[in-house]
Amino acid sequence: GAGVSQSPSNKVTEKGKDVELRCDPISGHTALYWYRQSLGQGLEFLIYFQGNSAPDKSGLPSDRFSAERTGGSVSTLTIQRTQQEDSAVYLCASSSSGATYNEQFFGPGTRLTVL
Amino acid sequence: GENVEQHPSTLSVQEGDSAVIKCTYSDSASNYFPWYKQELGKRPQLIIDIRSNVGEKKDQRIAVTLNKTAKHFSLHITETQPEDSAVYFCAASIPGSNTGKLIFGQGTTLQVKP
Repeated sequence: GAGVSQSPSNKVTEKGKDVELRCDPISGHTALYWYRQSLGQGLEFLIYFQGNSAPDKSGLPSDRFSAERTGGSVSTLTIQRTQQEDSAVYLCASSSSGATYNEQFFGPGTRLTVL
Repeated sequence: GENVEQHPSTLSVQEGDSAVIKCTYSDSASNYFPWYKQELGKRPQLIIDIRSNVGEKKDQRIAVTLNKTAKHFSLHITETQPEDSAVYFCAASIPGSNTGKLIFGQGTTLQVKP
């Protein structure tokens, strides 16, 4: 079956521009997570969606970052006024529900480079 | 909040040797500890996990041990093969939320030399 997909795979932008990153979770998965992976670092939690509930935004590093999830499926992560320190790989993951023991399935990531 | 420390950051072994990666966590209420493997240029994939009510779990050449008292858990790979070369991440669940949110370690780059 289809796994988690993300687009674009690579994005190069200039400092100060806005970018949108897209995530298509596995069909039927109600939980969706965004992570950031900086060079040589672990995965940093950004935001979590569960069904139609209000998202958990506790990991967003600044108010320049926002995300939405439409119809409980596709999610978009938006970074406004990008900075060079935003350069990283942005990973999306989904799971069948938001329960603790459920496996998270990751997408291939979007590599963002801010010049 | 929960914090996860992972060591070593890099590990090089000869094919056939064993490899051990260790993680410590800060919140004793964490109850789920997965390990993910990320091959170069690919997405992270779950390879094994352990719940807090279990001390050890094995799956062929890989095993995970958990010491709740010391708040640390380890990944053991036996009879390593070149295809085991990858970055390995440990993670711990954030207690009390039942959201599946995980805190990840910094990763260990394992190189298996043929």
